[in-house]
Amino acid sequence: AQTVTQSQPEMSVQEAETVTLSCTYDTSENNYYLFWYKQPPSRQMILVIRQEAYKQQNATENRFSVNFQKAAKSFSLKISDSQLGDTAMYFCAFIPIQGAQKLVFGQGTRLTINP
Amino acid sequence: DVKVTQSSRYLVKRTGEKVFLECVQDMDHENMFWYRQDPGLGLRLIYFSYDVKMKEKGDIPEGYSVSREKKERFSLILESASTNQTSMYLCASLDGGNEKLFFGSGTQLSVL
Repeated sequence: AQTVTQSQPEMSVQEAETVTLSCTYDTSENNYYLFWYKQPPSRQMILVIRQEAYKQQNATENRFSVNFQKAAKSFSLKISDSQLGDTAMYFCAFIPIQGAQKLVFGQGTRLTINP
Repeated sequence: DVKVTQSSRYLVKRTGEKVFLECVQDMDHENMFWYRQDPGLGLRLIYFSYDVKMKEKGDIPEGYSVSREKKERFSLILESASTNQTSMYLCASLDGGNEKLFFGSGTQLSVL
């Protein structure tokens, strides 16, 4: 069974600082996707970044980047130059490419950016 | 623009009532998902469907059932609502071609 674990329920940093959110997962699949989603108070889920497991290069989207360690089954999100608008719940998620595509989320990390 | 629509934003029901939560997508996606979201527990998968009339149990299917009679609609059914089913329910749809997910805006269900 696939599981996703986010071990940091809450984090808080000052504006403009860099923050890293942790995510580990467990799977026997070899091909899959990993995601980070942001959920602001509006509750709408917003895709932050996506990583294909077969790609060794870490994904980057502007201030957001990941550290993908396939052997360690680790997928952390780094937010550089954090902004007040980054305040939200962040969820890590996993989906296999083959077979029954069960999309699994972690428990979430509540991130607060302080002015 | 792509759309996943959940029928209600807020819903209040009584214990023992049968509750239907509807989710409609307009993208011809095969895969659809129902989650409940509770503080500290994240999004937990209730059921998912990979085609019409096909369904798979997720991690917490007890007390729920689903229906997928048409590709665009995936319904979550609470046969006899209980207070511990008070939660936020999120529907999602997957574009299997590029693994892009689309979410509804959620239904906050209160069972009294």
